[in-house]
Amino acid sequence: DTAVSQTPKYLVTQMGNDKSIKCEQNLGHDTMYWYKQDSKKFLKIMFSYNNKELIINETVPNRFSPKSPDKAHLNLHINSLELGDSAVYFCASSGYQGTQYFGPGTRLTVL
Amino acid sequence: SQQGEEDPQALSIQEGENATMNCSYKTSINNLQWYRQNSGRGLVHLILIRSNEREKHSGRLRVTLDTSKKSSSLLITASRAADTASYFCATVLFDTGRRALTFGSGTRLQVQP
Repeated sequence: DTAVSQTPKYLVTQMGNDKSIKCEQNLGHDTMYWYKQDSKKFLKIMFSYNNKELIINETVPNRFSPKSPDKAHLNLHINSLELGDSAVYFCASSGYQGTQYFGPGTRLTVL
Repeated sequence: SQQGEEDPQALSIQEGENATMNCSYKTSINNLQWYRQNSGRGLVHLILIRSNEREKHSGRLRVTLDTSKKSSSLLITASRAADTASYFCATVLFDTGRRALTFGSGTRLQVQP
């Protein structure tokens, strides 16, 4: 069984479009995250949700908005996509001691 | 800026050799974790060391933590080609129920068969 899944795996789109990436975890964790990994492999936390409340919001453009319909899901919506948004986006959930369980990643390419 | 900085940025060794990666961080932590990322994949948790621990082992992995120097090291003994991956350290600070976790920049390890 997949612990943390996200879809789609690849997303290619034009500048200015709006897109969403979905994430689901079946681990029963209370906290979920979105990370962005750029071409240099730097991994930056974007958001985290704990019990449906946003508790960390790093300096991310407000074009990015997380949506959590329930504890097992944390979707990422991106409006007006820009070239610089091209990256790999990872969803994760955390368990005991903050150990992170990552999804397989979504490679976003903005043309 | 990144909380953790790994050193070296890249490391190439022969199969059977040991690989050592270092991580430095800047603030107080509750624990420090190491993750591995294979190309095109998500990160996988390897080992966690609490702030009151100095050394921890898991199979071929050995992690040390020096909170006075704000540094940690990951040693992989008897490396295998399958160990080829990027390795990241991540520091965790529990803050009023939050689990702020910050990743370093990673070390790319290449193990030559």
